Amino acid sequence: KAGVTQTPRYLIKTRGQQVTLSCSPISGHRSVSWYQQTPGQGLQFLFEYFSETQRNKGNFPGRFSGRQFSNSRSEMNVSTLELGDSALYLCASSSTGSNEKLFFGSGTQLSVL
Amino acid sequence: GENVEQHPSTLSVQEGDSAVIKCTYSDSASNYFPWYKQELGKRPQLIIDIRSNVGEKKDQRIAVTLNKTAKHFSLHITETQPEDSAVYFCAAPPIIQGAQKLVFGQGTRLTINP
Repeated sequence: KAGVTQTPRYLIKTRGQQVTLSCSPISGHRSVSWYQQTPGQGLQFLFEYFSETQRNKGNFPGRFSGRQFSNSRSEMNVSTLELGDSALYLCASSSTGSNEKLFFGSGTQLSVL
Repeated sequence: GENVEQHPSTLSVQEGDSAVIKCTYSDSASNYFPWYKQELGKRPQLIIDIRSNVGEKKDQRIAVTLNKTAKHFSLHITETQPEDSAVYFCAAPPIIQGAQKLVFGQGTRLTINP
């Protein structure tokens, strides 16, 4: 099976712009989670989608949003970018419910200038 | 909510020696404890996990122990090798019915010295 695929791999934006990141989970996986990784804060949970529904959300402002499509692919959107949004955004998929093994993608490295 | 503390933040050991990384968690209802390894520039990868109904699990040179009473779990790597150099993350889930969420520790940068 192909692994979790994230696109693009690198992204450079300026403050105030918006960005959309894409994640294709492992075939058959219905849960997709998003995490922000920064050197100072480690891995922070953003949100999780299952069968096109957001099941859980972390403590991030409303500028961060996401969605999941019927084929389980997910997108994450960040609007009105700030310098502090610069980070590695990782998506992870798992097969079904809670407390399952997570399989991570390689991430999208976002730089906000 | 769940809080996961991980120690140490950096660890340097001689090749062949053992390495131990410890984590504590706050939600006594947590029942799943994975460990992830992240090599430089690569994705985090699950290396071992343990569920709350067992106290120890081994997989070749790595092992995880769990003490539910004290709410801590540890990663043990024996006979360390240069390829063990990486950042290791522990994690625990808050108990949210029907949802997938992991709270990660801050990570331990392990360096194996030849």
